Amino acid sequence: SQTIHQWPATLVQPVGSPLSLECTVEGTSNPNLYWYRQAAGRGLQLLFYSVGIGQISSEVPQNLSASRPQDRQFILSSKKLLLSDSGFYLCAWSRDRPYGYTFGSGTRLTVV
Amino acid sequence: ILNVEQSPQSLHVQEGDSTNFTCSFPSSNFYALHWYRWETAKSPEALFVMTLNGDEKKKGRISATLNTKEGYSYLYIKGSQPEDSATYLCACNAGGTSYGKLTFGQGTILTVHP
Repeated sequence: SQTIHQWPATLVQPVGSPLSLECTVEGTSNPNLYWYRQAAGRGLQLLFYSVGIGQISSEVPQNLSASRPQDRQFILSSKKLLLSDSGFYLCAWSRDRPYGYTFGSGTRLTVV
Repeated sequence: ILNVEQSPQSLHVQEGDSTNFTCSFPSSNFYALHWYRWETAKSPEALFVMTLNGDEKKKGRISATLNTKEGYSYLYIKGSQPEDSATYLCACNAGGTSYGKLTFGQGTILTVHP
């Protein structure tokens, strides 16, 4: 069966510090991978998605970047965090539509 | 860019009440509609996926309908229980080369009081 791992669960980082969140999927190959963020009082916003190794599509201009160095690994990074980067980050994987997502357990990021 | 809207934003009901929420989406370029339940401190859990106009899905006390021509879906909960308290998300797949990308609504926060 397929599983998705996301870590860390919580993170408190100072403004200007770097960020690295990691997500790995097991039990499937060539998954579509996604990073979403939920800011306070907002809905889930798609940040990045990837349909293959090294293929990253960005949905919104921001202070973040993503990479997919291996088929089942998806990394969200920032060189310098802003206060506005605080939120709940979710990684997910899917097959092509209409299949839905399987989500990771999420990371609560607080930038102070 | 799809615009998916959910209403109401939040809902408080008593145990045993039946309730429903609405998800609105653009009827053009529609491919599929998904419903998720998101409990606090957990990951969103898939409830239903529907693609055809008139689709109806049911899981226990929860059911959903889809109208692709007018661009809406309803989620129904019959005899609400406190454990139904969660945020209910709807999301859409668009047509074209959007792969598996989902656009989510803001969610409806349901609180069921004992």
